[in-house]
Amino acid sequence: NAGVTQTPKFRILKIGQSMTLQCAQDMNHNYMYWYRQDPGMGLKLIYYSVGAGITDKGEVPNGYNVSRSTTEDFPLRLELAAPSQTSVYFCASMGTGGPGELFFGEGSRLTVL
Amino acid sequence: GENVEQHPSTLSVQEGDSAVIKCTYSDSASNYFPWYKQELGKRPQLIIDIRSNVGEKKDQRIAVTLNKTAKHFSLHITETQPEDSAVYFCAASTGNQFYFGTGTSLTVIP
Repeated sequence: NAGVTQTPKFRILKIGQSMTLQCAQDMNHNYMYWYRQDPGMGLKLIYYSVGAGITDKGEVPNGYNVSRSTTEDFPLRLELAAPSQTSVYFCASMGTGGPGELFFGEGSRLTVL
Repeated sequence: GENVEQHPSTLSVQEGDSAVIKCTYSDSASNYFPWYKQELGKRPQLIIDIRSNVGEKKDQRIAVTLNKTAKHFSLHITETQPEDSAVYFCAASTGNQFYFGTGTSLTVIP
């Protein structure tokens, strides 16, 4: 199993551009998450999904959108990129049966200039 | 929502000494408390977790304690080694969502 796969690993955007961070998992997990990690700030939840067709906002959803058309994929869309969105983004997944281990992807480092 | 506070933000210990990291949470409904280790440039990985019906859990050199009344939980690493150097995050969960502390950068000095 590849686990959780994120692409791209690095990206530089100009202010106002848009892009999609891709996330896929092959563990048949229902729960998927997007976090952003800023220095000294820990991991902040952007959006999460409890299954295909269901998404919900986390702590810091402004400026982002998600979709969950399949169990495997959970892309994160950035519209009109701003310097405040410069961060490292992590996708994670979790199986069913109550809270348990989060499996993280390798992260995507995004810089907005 | 849940608020998780973590202390200290940085910690340096001599190799072989113990390290303790403490977290507090605000939501009494939280029932799952994992700890993640993140090495530089890597993804966070689970090292140990504890559920609200347990007061202590140990796995070799790592242990976690939970005090539900006081709403705090701690990570204990004994006999520290240089490879323990990393950032450690605590988290609290009520089910679907996880709330993370701000992290502790642990340096083990050989």
